[in-house]
Amino acid sequence: GQNIDQPTEMTATEGAIVQINCTYQTSGFNGLFWYQQHAGEAPTFLSYNVLDGLEEKGRFSSFLSRSKGYSYLLLKELQMKDSASYLCAVRNSGYALNFGKGTSLLVTP
Amino acid sequence: DARVTQTPRHKVTEMGQEVTMRCQPILGHNTVFWYRQTMMQGLELLAYFRNRAPLDDSGMPKDRFSAEMPDATLATLKIQPSEPRDSAVYFCASGLAGQGASNEKLFFGSGTQLSVL
Repeated sequence: GQNIDQPTEMTATEGAIVQINCTYQTSGFNGLFWYQQHAGEAPTFLSYNVLDGLEEKGRFSSFLSRSKGYSYLLLKELQMKDSASYLCAVRNSGYALNFGKGTSLLVTP
Repeated sequence: DARVTQTPRHKVTEMGQEVTMRCQPILGHNTVFWYRQTMMQGLELLAYFRNRAPLDDSGMPKDRFSAEMPDATLATLKIQPSEPRDSAVYFCASGLAGQGASNEKLFFGSGTQLSVL
């Protein structure tokens, strides 16, 4: 089975940096994904990590430590449109993604 | 612009009625997933198919739920009879597995918002 934990809610200020953490326990590991989901919409892919380290993609970066079962998503230069839910998901030995419950991020002016 | 298409977008029904949700995966994708999302449980995997064959439906209540892929362009999720606790958003997602890389992402449809009264 899998256990994926992330904070329920976070608040940050426009222009700031925010880090959303995710810890997981899994039997078999084949990659960690971050998805963004705006209210009433479908989840959309943000990033993928399978090796330890940092992956940078514009204002968003994602980090993975497999030995610690830990990942974070870093959002820089926050914009109001970044207010959304951020979902951490783990792919184990199968192909399906198993999701955490998501972190609802509110960006304030 | 390739995308996963789900119908209906919204469904309100009464307890005991049959509900059928449909999904058209992205053309060429060989793997289709059904997820259910609620505030309490988040996104839960119900079932998935590869090349139209069911690979895992362990997340699905078998007594009332059934999932099928009649052909490569259509996946269905049926609830019979429906109950109020089935109220949720049901997402379909598709992907292309077996390309030798683990970074194949899933693409989600817009979901079906189901309310069972």
